[in-house]
Amino acid sequence: DAGITQSPRYKITETGRQVTLMCHQTWSHSYMFWYRQDLGHGLRLIYYSAAADITDKGEVPDGYVVSRSKTENFPLTLESATRSQTSVYFCASREDRGQDNEQFFGPGTRLTVL
Amino acid sequence: SQKIEQNSEALNIQEGKTATLTCNYTNYSPAYLQWYRQDPGRGPVFLLLIRENEKEKRKERLKVTFDTTLKQSLFHITASQPADSATYLCAQESGYALNFGKGTSLLVTP
Repeated sequence: DAGITQSPRYKITETGRQVTLMCHQTWSHSYMFWYRQDLGHGLRLIYYSAAADITDKGEVPDGYVVSRSKTENFPLTLESATRSQTSVYFCASREDRGQDNEQFFGPGTRLTVL
Repeated sequence: SQKIEQNSEALNIQEGKTATLTCNYTNYSPAYLQWYRQDPGRGPVFLLLIRENEKEKRKERLKVTFDTTLKQSLFHITASQPADSATYLCAQESGYALNFGKGTSLLVTP
């Protein structure tokens, strides 16, 4: 499928478990981003990546790990899930030199940590 | 730190009227602001970008303004339709990423 996809779309896990959320884009965009969206907080940046093997922290990186071995994939791992990480997670990408610098968002992953 | 603020109260308007949403920022003027639309259960979708040196930008029924004196952007939807009902997010550039407001929910009733 063309575009940006996320998997799984829904995930229920338990406190302390490791969880990996997948993100895949077919445009070969340089930049990729992970956001979480919570009521009362809006979208908050967790991590971003400017290219393969280049990642950097965003506003709320604690408890998360990312990697980017290939341009098209940007997985997000919760090493030991906590209830406070219950949220909707969005992956996004954008071109290096797009006219409007628009970000293209995936459909989201709804994660529940029990 | 830089903040983006949007009216958290939902905006209810009648079909055919113009909807106006507000986005305020603190401190420095960002190089650009973007507006996104988000429908329930979906990711945000880009609508418009306005740069610091542009006062106004239009796209079909949408119009965005950027007032650096007031530190404010206004987002207008003219001749609103029920299909325009969604949450609208304002975002400012923050390095390579974006800093989003919390969004304003718009409901257009027939």
